[in-house]
Amino acid sequence: GNSVTQMEGPVTLSEEAFLTINCTYTATGYPSLFWYVQYPGEGLQLLLKATKADDKGSNKGFEATYRKETTSFHLEKGSVQVSDSAVYFCALRSENFNKFYFGSGTKLNVKP
Amino acid sequence: DAEITQSPRHKITETGRQVTLACHQTWNHNNMFWYRQDLGHGLRLIHYSYGVHDTNKGEVSDGYSVSRSNTEDLPLTLESAASSQTSVYFCASSERTGSRTDTQYFGPGTRLTVL
Repeated sequence: GNSVTQMEGPVTLSEEAFLTINCTYTATGYPSLFWYVQYPGEGLQLLLKATKADDKGSNKGFEATYRKETTSFHLEKGSVQVSDSAVYFCALRSENFNKFYFGSGTKLNVKP
Repeated sequence: DAEITQSPRHKITETGRQVTLACHQTWNHNNMFWYRQDLGHGLRLIHYSYGVHDTNKGEVSDGYSVSRSNTEDLPLTLESAASSQTSVYFCASSERTGSRTDTQYFGPGTRLTVL
């Protein structure tokens, strides 16, 4: 079956620290991978995506590389800001269907 | 600009009442989805639709129903609201191109409280 596992939070960092949020997946076939961000009181917004092995998705300083050999899609940012405080969701879109599978979310708190 | 809207944004109801949450998208997307978000569970799929008159059950569909009479709308109905259905509900939509880049776009959410 399809599933996504991401690190539990909350993750608390100081401003300008390096961020890594781990995400691993299990999938039948060859999925596409996504990171979504949810700011307080809002819906989920697409942050970045990758559709094939070794692809790197990037946006707003965030990056994630599709690693088929380790079934991972870890989110990274070199220098976080207070405004990055949010909940981050890793997700996969199954190859054969238009369904998405989401991880449980990781809350990031960035302190000034 | 195309968008996806949900109404109401906040709703308080009583146990046993029927409640309908609206979802409307202007992207002309074929696929629409309803999720609930609860602490510790992330997003769980309730129902989804791949087109007009098509509906499918997700992983937590008991006590919920949907109908799809046009492309733009997928209302979610709680037949007899229960306290366990207190949650934040999100609607989402995506194209049905079969492309690997197909992305789900989310509405702002409805916070439902069942007393």
